[in-house]
Amino acid sequence: NAGVTQTPKFQVLKTGQSMTLQCAQDMNHNSMYWYRQDPGMGLRLIYYSASEGTTDKGEVPNGYNVSRLNKREFSLRLESAAPSQTSVYFCASSPAVYEQYFGPGTRLTVT
Amino acid sequence: QKEVEQDPGPLSVPEGAIVSLNCTYSNSAFQYFMWYRQYSRKGPELLMYTYSSGNKEDGRFTAQVDKSSKYISLFIRDSQPSDSATYLCAMIGGSNYNLTFGKGTLLTVNP
Repeated sequence: NAGVTQTPKFQVLKTGQSMTLQCAQDMNHNSMYWYRQDPGMGLRLIYYSASEGTTDKGEVPNGYNVSRLNKREFSLRLESAAPSQTSVYFCASSPAVYEQYFGPGTRLTVT
Repeated sequence: QKEVEQDPGPLSVPEGAIVSLNCTYSNSAFQYFMWYRQYSRKGPELLMYTYSSGNKEDGRFTAQVDKSSKYISLFIRDSQPSDSATYLCAMIGGSNYNLTFGKGTLLTVNP
């Protein structure tokens, strides 16, 4: 049982490049989330998916897109990366509103 | 005023000390109150959750919620060096279907 997995673990992009962060969970959870974590800002919700086939914007969605590929997988895409998107990105899944399981994170640097 | 306020610390205590971590909030609709622990360069993990007011104990950890004061606490008894981490409070309730996180308190327990 791997829980929540994320790939890649680290990534360096140049301004304007695009990339997709992958997330998968094997716990059969309906809800999945993408957060970014920045020093002094805490965890901020980018997008979430309450169930397969639905996605909704969170607190900071600008510059990102998501795809809920199936119940297991939820990807985050940066179409044109900017230095302001340098952050640590966490994916999470949830069986209940009060209980979220987080992945190990992706450290992204945009130069 | 931010919905959830948490002193970022850092907090440094000797091994064996009792640690008190706190959050205040402004949204009276919050009903679930969580504490997450995040080790350096790892994803957050759920430590405890409490529904509505009251206390909950789990080993050396006690979570308290005072809804009248909009104040929650996490107490760690007999603190250990392995408790050194960032502790994040989180809340949910009312029309808000997503977690609202505090910014986290960095705790170091010195042997």
